[in-house]
Amino acid sequence: ETGVTQTPRHLVMGMTNKKSLKCEQHLGHNAMYWYKQSAKKPLELMFVYSLEERVENNSVPSRFSPECPNSSHLFLHLHTLQPEDSALYLCASSRQGINNEQFFGPGTRLTVL
Amino acid sequence: DAKTTQPPSMDCAEGRAANLPCNHSTISGNEYVYWYRQIHSQGPQYIIHGLKNNETNEMASLIITEDRKSSTLILPHATLRDTAVYYCIVSFSGGGADGLTFGKGTHLIIQP
Repeated sequence: ETGVTQTPRHLVMGMTNKKSLKCEQHLGHNAMYWYKQSAKKPLELMFVYSLEERVENNSVPSRFSPECPNSSHLFLHLHTLQPEDSALYLCASSRQGINNEQFFGPGTRLTVL
Repeated sequence: DAKTTQPPSMDCAEGRAANLPCNHSTISGNEYVYWYRQIHSQGPQYIIHGLKNNETNEMASLIITEDRKSSTLILPHATLRDTAVYYCIVSFSGGGADGLTFGKGTHLIIQP
């Protein structure tokens, strides 16, 4: 596979569930990002990882927990979410030191009941 | 908050050039202008970026004014598949990993 992949593509969960979103990039990039896109709102940056270390946490609630075990994989662990957390969650990657051209995955459509 | 201002929507006839304006009057000297687009319910797609010179690639051309306070993205021969939300973003380039700050963008509708 090429590019940036995200699984699952769709997820429905209850407020007491624990789930994880997975992102994988096959581009040899060394920076990865999580964005959130709620209905009728601009994309919001959530987390930035550079060389597998978190470099930015954009005031995201602790019920969202990112993990970057290596430069190719990024996870977003979810627990005790609220219905207002329903959104499209997008992962992106880029190569530091070149430019800020970010490659986005197709996203995970999350619905919290 | 986004540092750019774009019209919320625009129409363009298929086959004509689509010119999308963007104001970024507070851009700093080491910030680049990036353009991305998002087709409905898909992830955003990089189009082009520039610092102060005009740029062209296989997708589009980017015209940046001499004072760098505004720019125009040009799609030379728009097709129906170019219908999307187009985002103009100012961002540092190179160095560390920088998250992108998206605004509301311009919803470009290509009419048959």
